[in-house]
Amino acid sequence: KNQVEQSPQSLIILEGKNCTLQCNYTVSPFSNLRWYKQDTGRGPVSLTIMTFSENTKSNGRYTATLDADTKQSSLHITASQLSDSASYICVVGSSNTGKLIFGQGTTLQVKP
Amino acid sequence: DTAVSQTPKYLVTQMGNDKSIKCEQNLGHDTMYWYKQDSKKFLKIMFSYNNKELIINETVPNRFSPKSPDKAHLNLHINSLELGDSAVYFCASSQALGGDPHYGYTFGSGTRLTVV
Repeated sequence: KNQVEQSPQSLIILEGKNCTLQCNYTVSPFSNLRWYKQDTGRGPVSLTIMTFSENTKSNGRYTATLDADTKQSSLHITASQLSDSASYICVVGSSNTGKLIFGQGTTLQVKP
Repeated sequence: DTAVSQTPKYLVTQMGNDKSIKCEQNLGHDTMYWYKQDSKKFLKIMFSYNNKELIINETVPNRFSPKSPDKAHLNLHINSLELGDSAVYFCASSQALGGDPHYGYTFGSGTRLTVV
């Protein structure tokens, strides 16, 4: 069964600290992996998109990694800011259906 | 502004009513989607249209009927609303069907539907 699981479910960190969010998936055949940021009351916004051949991609203070062998990805946030408080959703694309399978998200709260 | 816009943002209605949510994108994308985000925050695809043609139709009650008058619009009509329909509904668009890694999705801001 195609699934995307994220951990932790929620996380609280102090402003300025770094954090890493995890994503494990069982989607096959794999096409791509995306990380989205969803602010409260808003739609998800894309942070990174990686294909099978890419093992890291950065977008400002956000760096995503992908290990296609172990089917794991992580999103590292550096020098967190209050505006990073949001849900972060891992999404995996299946190449034979064109569908995206969404994880449940990690809710991050950055405190001053 | 280039965007995916959906209306209304909030919708509160009684059980048994019929309601519609509208979505428009001015990005020139060929594919549009409706997603449902439940209380557990999972986003699940409901429908996908490509150039006004239905491509993906997940297991959704037939009370839900999408309509695409042109490739820039995808509306969602819901008949005989039930309590379990309460959720946030997101419209999205992409240049190609979602699995293609070269094309991102753009999501609307969501419509929070509450059935009382």
